[in-house]
Amino acid sequence: GDSVTQMEGPVTLSEEAFLTINCTYTATGYPSLFWYVQYPGEGLQLLLKATKADDKGSNKGFEATYRKETTSFHLEKGSVQVSDSAVYFCALSDSGGYQKVTFGTGTKLQVIP
Amino acid sequence: DAGVTQSPTHLIKTRGQQVTLRCSPKSGHDTVSWYQQALGQGPQFIFQYYEEEERQRGNFPDRFSGHQFPNYSSELNVNALLLGDSALYLCASSRPSSRLRAFFGQGTRLTVV
Repeated sequence: GDSVTQMEGPVTLSEEAFLTINCTYTATGYPSLFWYVQYPGEGLQLLLKATKADDKGSNKGFEATYRKETTSFHLEKGSVQVSDSAVYFCALSDSGGYQKVTFGTGTKLQVIP
Repeated sequence: DAGVTQSPTHLIKTRGQQVTLRCSPKSGHDTVSWYQQALGQGPQFIFQYYEEEERQRGNFPDRFSGHQFPNYSSELNVNALLLGDSALYLCASSRPSSRLRAFFGQGTRLTVV
């Protein structure tokens, strides 16, 4: 079945540092890929998405590129802020169109001033 | 627009009891999915409802059942509660024109004692 593997946390960075959170996936067909963010005490929010190979999703300074050849969708940000502290989930949606979403285990990011 | 709303916010139940969780989808959304998020884990897909029918189901026992009403709202029922059912239960909704974009509610925190 479909699965998502992402780097374990927590990840602790200083403000303005460069962020990379690795994510790889296993899926049949051509899934859509997502990054969701969960701030403390809040629900899941879609951060960015990519629907086909070589697509780049971007939002709020975060970027991720759909790499079919390496089955990866790594999340990057050039300069993190304290307000980016949250749990980040890599996820995929099967190509069947029914939007069942398979999530990774999440990576907690803590940004210190 | 109220977004996806879930009730109750928190719930404590005793092992062996039954529980019903409720979800009202975002306005204009017709599909509702339920997820279980154990502490420190990513959400796991339980099932999805569309046109009042269960359309997809994850790897959860029959103790987990659901319903969708004509107004698209949904219920998740769990019978014979186990301690391991303690988790955050998330509801997500989406609309026909944007199948790839699911909006999540804040969740219901269920504690089984």
